[in-house]
Amino acid sequence: AQSVTQLGSHVSVSEGALVLLRCNYSSSVPPYLFWYVQYPNQGLQLLLKYTSAATLVKGINGFEAEFKKSETSFHLTKPSAHMSDAAEYFCAVEAGNNRKLIWGLGTSLAVNP
Amino acid sequence: DVKVTQSSRYLVKRTGEKVFLECVQDMDHENMFWYRQDPGLGLRLIYFSYDVKMKEKGDIPEGYSVSREKKERFSLILESASTNQTSMYLCASSYSGTSTDTQYFGPGTRLTVL
Repeated sequence: AQSVTQLGSHVSVSEGALVLLRCNYSSSVPPYLFWYVQYPNQGLQLLLKYTSAATLVKGINGFEAEFKKSETSFHLTKPSAHMSDAAEYFCAVEAGNNRKLIWGLGTSLAVNP
Repeated sequence: DVKVTQSSRYLVKRTGEKVFLECVQDMDHENMFWYRQDPGLGLRLIYFSYDVKMKEKGDIPEGYSVSREKKERFSLILESASTNQTSMYLCASSYSGTSTDTQYFGPGTRLTVL
């Protein structure tokens, strides 16, 4: 069975600082991995996804994530946080070609001026 | 751009009422999903549909039913609303092609049951 763990339900960074949001997964088959972002009072939108091509995946708004099979991780990073990055971030895994995603519980990112 | 719309942003209902939440997508997607989102619990799948008139239970289907009579429309029905169904409801759709297809989300309906 697949599962996703997001370490840290709340992360706070200063504007301009590195953003690191952690995601670890469990899967018995090669996974597909996703990061979604939810801005206040909005639905979710895709930030980036790993589909077994390049292990370093670049997404929108300067975010990127690296798939590390040996660590079963897919951490999300951004070199320099902006106030507009304050949002809820969700990691998700899909495996087994069943079209459904298994979701992490989310990490709320706060960016301080 | 894919557009997923939900019939209401905010809804207030009374215990015992029958509640309909509507979702429409405009990209001819085969798959449609209903989730509920609660603080600290992330997204939980209620029901999923992979074709017209086809449905599959998700992780928390109790107290809910769904209807998909047309490809673009997926309805979530609360047969008899209860206070523990107060939540944010999110609809999503995706193309059926592969497992890597992106799910596109609507803005959500915040339902309060009094």
